[in-house]
Amino acid sequence: DTTVKQNPRYKLARVGKPVNLICSQTMNHDTMYWYQKKPNQAPKLLLFYYDKILNREADTFEKFQSSRPNNSFCSLYIGSAGLEYSAMYLCASSRRDKTYEQYFGPGTRLTVL
Amino acid sequence: SQWGEENLQALSIQEGEDVTMNCSYKTYTTVVQWYRQKSGKGPAQLILIRSNEREKRSGRLRATLDTSSQSSSLSITGTLATDTAVYFCATEGRGSALGRLHFGAGTQLIVIP
Repeated sequence: DTTVKQNPRYKLARVGKPVNLICSQTMNHDTMYWYQKKPNQAPKLLLFYYDKILNREADTFEKFQSSRPNNSFCSLYIGSAGLEYSAMYLCASSRRDKTYEQYFGPGTRLTVL
Repeated sequence: SQWGEENLQALSIQEGEDVTMNCSYKTYTTVVQWYRQKSGKGPAQLILIRSNEREKRSGRLRATLDTSSQSSSLSITGTLATDTAVYFCATEGRGSALGRLHFGAGTQLIVIP
């Protein structure tokens, strides 16, 4: 089973409100990733976990938080959503020794109004 | 950006035709991957080609890699309507950049039945 699940699939949020997105995988992968994808643009890595170690990209460091309560779950948290956060958020996972081989979930489409 | 192209490219062809999509990248990589993203789903890896390989085949797919020009191509022979998707190329950094996939903006391929 190479399934990565994401919930919800669609999320509507108000400007200034928090948003929490959930991802899960059952492949026992030790690495999990979050990407942001806007229309007609490439997926952009936001952050990733090696086991319990969080790595955030420099240009999105303060905009996104994440937690990984166990190996299977990972969340993406936006403390105060802005219009610019409207995008597709993709979760992926991989083995630590095969980080190039990432399995993606179907994504959560976030619309901020 | 890791990639030369910043904007999504678009191709529309008739079913049965062959197609080639190109990418160029800016920094050193040991691996180039091609992903396909169908509507409503996350990206799925199609083919991976390493820097010591010039060509890799998988069914109707053929990937090439030219490290001297830092470019890669993906060809699909005998396209089907089900090949309609966005195709991304991606590279992975090395050292501290392991796990950080850099995606190109992608090619929107539409195969008309």
